[in-house]
Amino acid sequence: GESVGLHLPTLSVQEGDNSIINCAYSNSASDYFIWYKQESGKGPQFIIDIRSNMDKRQGQRVTVLLNKTVKHLSLQIAATQPGDSAVYFCAENGREAGTALIFGKGTTLSVSS
Amino acid sequence: EAGVTQFPSHSVIEKGQTVTLRCDPISGHDNLYWYRRVMGKEIKFLLHFVKESKQDESGMPNNRFLAERTGGTYSTLKVQPAELEDSGVYFCASSPNYNEQFFGPGTRLTVL
Repeated sequence: GESVGLHLPTLSVQEGDNSIINCAYSNSASDYFIWYKQESGKGPQFIIDIRSNMDKRQGQRVTVLLNKTVKHLSLQIAATQPGDSAVYFCAENGREAGTALIFGKGTTLSVSS
Repeated sequence: EAGVTQFPSHSVIEKGQTVTLRCDPISGHDNLYWYRRVMGKEIKFLLHFVKESKQDESGMPNNRFLAERTGGTYSTLKVQPAELEDSGVYFCASSPNYNEQFFGPGTRLTVL
C-alpha cells in the first residue's frame, strides 16, 4: 500500500539551531498534509498543516514546505529548544476528505542544551 | 475546552482475555477515528465513525476487534480474544470537519 515515509529516524541538534525534518510521500493524489509532534506519554499534537495548492506555510517558529514535483514535505523549526524534543510525524490525507490519515514512521528529534 | 480523553491509559492482559478501550471525543465532533501504533512502526488507521455510523473500517485487522459508538458520543474498541500482536498504543482522534484531527493520549495495551 501507499505510505508516507521519513528520511531519518533520528535527528540531534543543539539548542538554538534550526531543525529540518523531512518526509517523502508516495500518493500523488494527496491534497492535505499535517505535521504532528508526539511527546512521551502523550498523543500526537497538531503542529501545522498545508494543502496541495500551497508550497509553503508558516506558523510560530515552524515552517512547512511542500514540493509536489518530488513528493517531498519538510518541517523547519527555528531556534530549536529543548521542549521541541519529541517524535515528529508527517501525515497525509490521500483519499477523499474525511478519511484516514496515513502516517510516516516518525523522526525523533533530540535537542541538547 | 476538554480534549480527547481515553481510558484506561494502560492495560496489561493475558493472551485470550478481553479488553475494552474507551474514547471520549471533543464535544460536538462528529468524526471519531481509531488508530494504533505497534512497537517501532508507524501509526496506522483502524476505523472512522461519523456520528454513530462506521464510515470506514478498512483498517481493522480482523474480527477480534469490535468498535462501537452508540449514540454518536463516546466510542469503545473491544479486543476479544487478545493476541500478543495486539500489543501497542491505541489512539483515538476526533474532528469537527474533515481536516484537522485532535488526538487523545492513547491507551498502551500489553498482551502477555
